[in-house]
Amino acid sequence: NAGVTQTPKFRILKIGQSMTLQCTQDMNHNYMYWYRQDPGMGLKLIYYSVGAGITDKGEVPNGYNVSRSTTEDFPLRLELAAPSQTSVYFCASSLGASGITEAFFGQGTRLTVV
Amino acid sequence: GENVEQHPSTLSVQEGDSAVIKCTYSDSASNYFPWYKQELGKGPQLIIDIRSNVGEKKDQRIAVTLNKTAKHFSLHITETQPEDSAVYFCAASRGNEKLTFGTGTRLTIIP
Repeated sequence: NAGVTQTPKFRILKIGQSMTLQCTQDMNHNYMYWYRQDPGMGLKLIYYSVGAGITDKGEVPNGYNVSRSTTEDFPLRLELAAPSQTSVYFCASSLGASGITEAFFGQGTRLTVV
Repeated sequence: GENVEQHPSTLSVQEGDSAVIKCTYSDSASNYFPWYKQELGKGPQLIIDIRSNVGEKKDQRIAVTLNKTAKHFSLHITETQPEDSAVYFCAASRGNEKLTFGTGTRLTIIP
């Protein structure tokens, strides 16, 4: 049982480049999330989705975009990478809302923008 | 919005002793309080949670207490073991899609 799978694990981007962080889950969860984790700052919600075709902004959405065309996949797009986007990104999924049920996290993507 | 403060940021404990991590929250409407453990190089994993209609919950060596009046909750780990070394995050939610996380506590168990 794979759970939540994120790719890539590591990436270095140059300022202004774009990339997509991939996230897929095999638990048939409706809810999916993207968080960023900065040192000493905890996890901040970027975007979330309550089901295929539905996405909404979290606490720190600027500079990111998401889509949810299937239940399984929830990619995160960075269009114009900036140094402030250097962070560790976590994708998560949950059967119900994460505020009432367990959220399952992927292993993370460490992104450096130089 | 919700604000969650977590203390201490680092904690070193002798193996076999107890560890306590404390969190305070600002939104009196929050009613779900999970604790996540993050091991090195991995994503966070839920270890225990508590809802606002309960004051304490235990699961083997781990317990969580909640004081709704004071708006704080705590994680207690007894008989600590080396595998307890990790970063621990508290979180709070109104029971919707959004979890607000604390800033984390790095727990080190000294053999």
